[in-house]
Amino acid sequence: AQSVTQLGSHVSVSEGALVLLRCNYSSSVPPYLFWYVQYPNQGLQLLLKYTSAATLVKGINGFEAEFKKSETSFHLTKPSAHMSDAAEYFCAVRFFSGGYNKLIFGAGTRLAVHP
Amino acid sequence: ETGVTQTPRHLVMGMTNKKSLKCEQHLGHNAMYWYKQSAKKPLELMFVYSLEERVENNSVPSRFSPECPNSSHLFLHLHTLQPEDSALYLCASSQDLGRSNYGYTFGSGTRLTVV
Repeated sequence: AQSVTQLGSHVSVSEGALVLLRCNYSSSVPPYLFWYVQYPNQGLQLLLKYTSAATLVKGINGFEAEFKKSETSFHLTKPSAHMSDAAEYFCAVRFFSGGYNKLIFGAGTRLAVHP
Repeated sequence: ETGVTQTPRHLVMGMTNKKSLKCEQHLGHNAMYWYKQSAKKPLELMFVYSLEERVENNSVPSRFSPECPNSSHLFLHLHTLQPEDSALYLCASSQDLGRSNYGYTFGSGTRLTVV
């Protein structure tokens, strides 16, 4: 069975500080992993994805994530937080069920950035 | 604009009303999805369509009725809803069901309030 766990439903950082959002996955096959961001009253926007190429993946807005198979993790980081990064972030894993591939999402982590 | 357009953005309806949510994509995608996003709960996959054929109905109550007349349009018909159905309803599309390593493209959602 495949699943996604995001540790910490709320994370608060100061502007300019490191952002670290944690995601662990469970997958019986090599996973495809994704991070999405959701701003208030908006849909989800793809930040970055891991599809078995480079283990360090760079995304939009200065975010990146590193796939660590030994730790079954795909944590999202950004060196310096900006006020505009305040949003909810979702980790997702692709899995195969019912004859086709689909995405399942973690519960989300709400990031607050304070001055 | 993400390429997936949802209308209306906001909807307030009584429990005896009938209304419809509309989703439109012109990305050339062949798969479309309805998700429900409630406060403090993970995204719930409701329906999956591939080439206008429904491939998944995730134990969704019959008061939600999807329709996919063509690969560019997806509707969610609502009738006799309950207050607990109040949520953000998100539409998404992907190239097809087998290649979701490309991720999904989401619309901005319809914020539904049932009174």
